[in-house]
Amino acid sequence: DAKTTQPTSMDCAEGRAANLPCNHSTISGNEYVYWYRQIHSQGPQYIIHGLKNNETNEMASLIITEDRKSSTLILPHATLRDTAVYYCIAPRSARQLTFGSGTQLTVLP
Amino acid sequence: DAMVIQNPRYQVTQFGKPVTLSCSQTLNHNVMYWYQQKSSQAPKLLFHYYDKDFNNEADTPDNFQSRRPNTSFCFLDIRSPGLGDAAMYLCATSRDLVTQYFGPGTRLLVL
Repeated sequence: DAKTTQPTSMDCAEGRAANLPCNHSTISGNEYVYWYRQIHSQGPQYIIHGLKNNETNEMASLIITEDRKSSTLILPHATLRDTAVYYCIAPRSARQLTFGSGTQLTVLP
Repeated sequence: DAMVIQNPRYQVTQFGKPVTLSCSQTLNHNVMYWYQQKSSQAPKLLFHYYDKDFNNEADTPDNFQSRRPNTSFCFLDIRSPGLGDAAMYLCATSRDLVTQYFGPGTRLLVL
């Protein structure tokens, strides 16, 4: 897997957008970027993935830079239930996800 | 709702006593995974089944085995649990190696 670097922790005010960065400077041309999150004591939850183009779904938006060396996950209106560890993963094979340390996002009331 | 189900949610076993954790899915996905997650750590892949094809990770201890009797069910067997095997065990499924969907996990306590 391409090495990914994420901040250890971030805070966000409830109702505001949460922007979670991820660096993946060694990503190769055919490696997707996946985002998962894990709420405390639950299994990880798939959020979104992308290759080159920006992506949006009902949960979040994914912005990938043109050189693909970094990306940002955007939660447009964070709620307290979005407090979780967010993992950015760039797997060499879709068969195997290697989870890094992730970013602990805390949404504050 | 289609989902990944893990039973039990909490399992207590004794040191050295074999234990089996179960996972079932109603998604009809052909790939099933088992992960181990220790406290304050990220999930770590133990092995996966692609259809009936078993794929073990190189650093998965021999103490851990798996069975997949059919598409819907997959079992994790720990032959002789040690104190270091206490962890959350996560099952996940995917269709043809794309997005993985995780169950709620089984938390194993070894006494």
